[in-house]
Amino acid sequence: DAGVIQSPRHEVTEMGQEVTLRCKPISGHDYLFWYRQTMMRGLELLIYFNNNVPIDDSGMPEDRFSAKMPNASFSTLKIQPSEPRDSAVYFCASKSGGTGELFFGEGSRLTVL
Amino acid sequence: KNEVEQSPQNLTAQEGEFITINCSYSVGISALHWLQQHPGGGIVSLFMLSSGKKKHGRLIATINIQEKHSSLHITASHPRDSAVYICAVLNGNQFYFGTGTSLTVIP
Repeated sequence: DAGVIQSPRHEVTEMGQEVTLRCKPISGHDYLFWYRQTMMRGLELLIYFNNNVPIDDSGMPEDRFSAKMPNASFSTLKIQPSEPRDSAVYFCASKSGGTGELFFGEGSRLTVL
Repeated sequence: KNEVEQSPQNLTAQEGEFITINCSYSVGISALHWLQQHPGGGIVSLFMLSSGKKKHGRLIATINIQEKHSSLHITASHPRDSAVYICAVLNGNQFYFGTGTSLTVIP
């Protein structure tokens, strides 16, 4: 398996633009997590899905952020409109079962000017 | 208060030194992960453990469930070990992360 695949790897956009980040989890994994990493706050959970269903989205900063998982092999994280404070590295991770090992994607580095 | 505390925050060592990074947590635990992140790079899982000790090459991870404490040891450290090491505690289906320990190993 190729691992967790994220795109784009880097995104530079202007304030107010819509940003869509994409993730393909490892095949067979039933949990998918979206994390945000900043220097100030480290890794923060935004939302996670189990069997494509959002379970906990309490980490989503505000209504500008939304996430979907239309099927077991694809998820998106959307920011609309984007703001400079959204600049961070966004990681997608997946795992299998309750205590399975967590596998991270390479991350999407977002810069909002 | 953070659910997961790591120490030290930053660590500089000479090549060959024995290194210990500590992690204390306050939440219930299903498993604990040690993660490694190289500068500008992705995150990889080094260990997942729920009791006792695991060893992989020069890396050793231990956990004491009663004391809610885990340690990551690196023997014979090497410059390529320079990275940020993150402790992550699995509670239910939620992961709680430490803020990371930035390790620099000088040749």
